[in-house]
Amino acid sequence: DGGITQSPKYLFRKEGQNVTLSCEQNLNHDAMYWYRQDPGQGLRLIYYSQIVNDFQKGDIAEGYSVSREKKESFPLTVTSAQKNPTAFYLCATAERGAGNEQFFGPGTRLTVL
Amino acid sequence: GDSVTQMEGPVTLSEEAFLTINCTYTATGYPSLFWYVQYPGEGLQLLLKATKADDKGSNKGFEATYRKETTSFHLEKGSVQVSDSAVYFCALIGRGSNYKLTFGKGTLLTVNP
Repeated sequence: DGGITQSPKYLFRKEGQNVTLSCEQNLNHDAMYWYRQDPGQGLRLIYYSQIVNDFQKGDIAEGYSVSREKKESFPLTVTSAQKNPTAFYLCATAERGAGNEQFFGPGTRLTVL
Repeated sequence: GDSVTQMEGPVTLSEEAFLTINCTYTATGYPSLFWYVQYPGEGLQLLLKATKADDKGSNKGFEATYRKETTSFHLEKGSVQVSDSAVYFCALIGRGSNYKLTFGKGTLLTVNP
């Protein structure tokens, strides 16, 4: 059935290691987004992509990287340069066009040990 | 830039009580407005939306009206249930924002039997 898949649900990483979070969708949406959620805060945008092979930095892109080689996939890499990576990461998709709502995946909780 | 301010929680109510969660916004032009809900450990689900002034979004007994004159989009429900316990986020997509969502910080609602 249609939806957004994020894997893994829980991820543990040692300091200094890069880690990649997966986001896959079969909704045929053009736009994809990555957000970070910290306790007691709203969601903050990391990166977004409106079309394949193109993406833009959001409000907190430092220490993160993305790629958009396929319409269905938008992986996020958390690099060792990200100083405080422990958080809940949410992927979202949307049809292009003003006012279109974003649909969210179930999230990945990353913990740095 | 665009911003969303929503009432801080936590909000604790008894079952069947009336719920209001205030949300005000700052944006250029006429944004699209959304309420999302997040249950523990899950991603966000769209609860309702409104795309132009005086529109009323409604879903599952929740309502919110787009008030341009007061730049508000308050969430209401006449009789809450225990199953409504969750975090509620007000959000907007501003015109010219490249379809980026701006979130409030969220309001935790707990409904006791």
